[in-house]
Amino acid sequence: NAGVTQTPKFQVLKTGQSMTLQCAQDMNHEYMSWYRQDPGMGLRLIHYSVGAGITDQGEVPNGYNVSRSTTEDFPLRLLSAAPSQTSVYFCASRRQENYGYTFGSGTRLTVV
Amino acid sequence: RKEVEQDPGPFNVPEGATVAFNCTYSNSASQSFFWYRQDCRKEPKLLMSVYSSGNEDGRFTAQLNRASQYISLLIRDSKLSDSATYLCVVNSGTGFQKLVFGTGTRLLVSP
Repeated sequence: NAGVTQTPKFQVLKTGQSMTLQCAQDMNHEYMSWYRQDPGMGLRLIHYSVGAGITDQGEVPNGYNVSRSTTEDFPLRLLSAAPSQTSVYFCASRRQENYGYTFGSGTRLTVV
Repeated sequence: RKEVEQDPGPFNVPEGATVAFNCTYSNSASQSFFWYRQDCRKEPKLLMSVYSSGNEDGRFTAQLNRASQYISLLIRDSKLSDSATYLCVVNSGTGFQKLVFGTGTRLLVSP
């Protein structure tokens, strides 16, 4: 099993550009989430999904969209990149609510 | 007040030492607790879940104190490879059980 796969690993965007961060898991996990990690801030939840077709906002959703058309995939779209979105983005999945997350290896995004 | 608070450290210890980290949480309805380990520029990895009765995994022992709302992680016989940041994670306790991450405690084990 590959676990949680994120692409790309690194990305540089210009302000105003849009892009999609890809996330796929092969563990048949229902729960998936996107976090961003900034120095001194810990991981903050952007969006999450409890199953295919169901998504909801986390604590920092502005500027991001998600969709969950299949159990496996949970892409994160940046609508119009801003320098404040420079961060490390982690996708994670877990089987059920009382289980811990398995994380992807992250995407380092720089917006200039 | 942050939902999950940790001492950022760093904790500098020699090899073979015993070191303990504490983490406090604010939501008394929280039900699930975890310790994660994160190496520099890597993703967080689940170290262990924390159960009400306390649990041990090799050199690692986790404890939960619901009355005082804190969890702890004890590492015995520290190894150089234990150097990392340790993240305390607590579920939100309401609605979708989102996981709230502490900012981490950095451990440096020296020869």
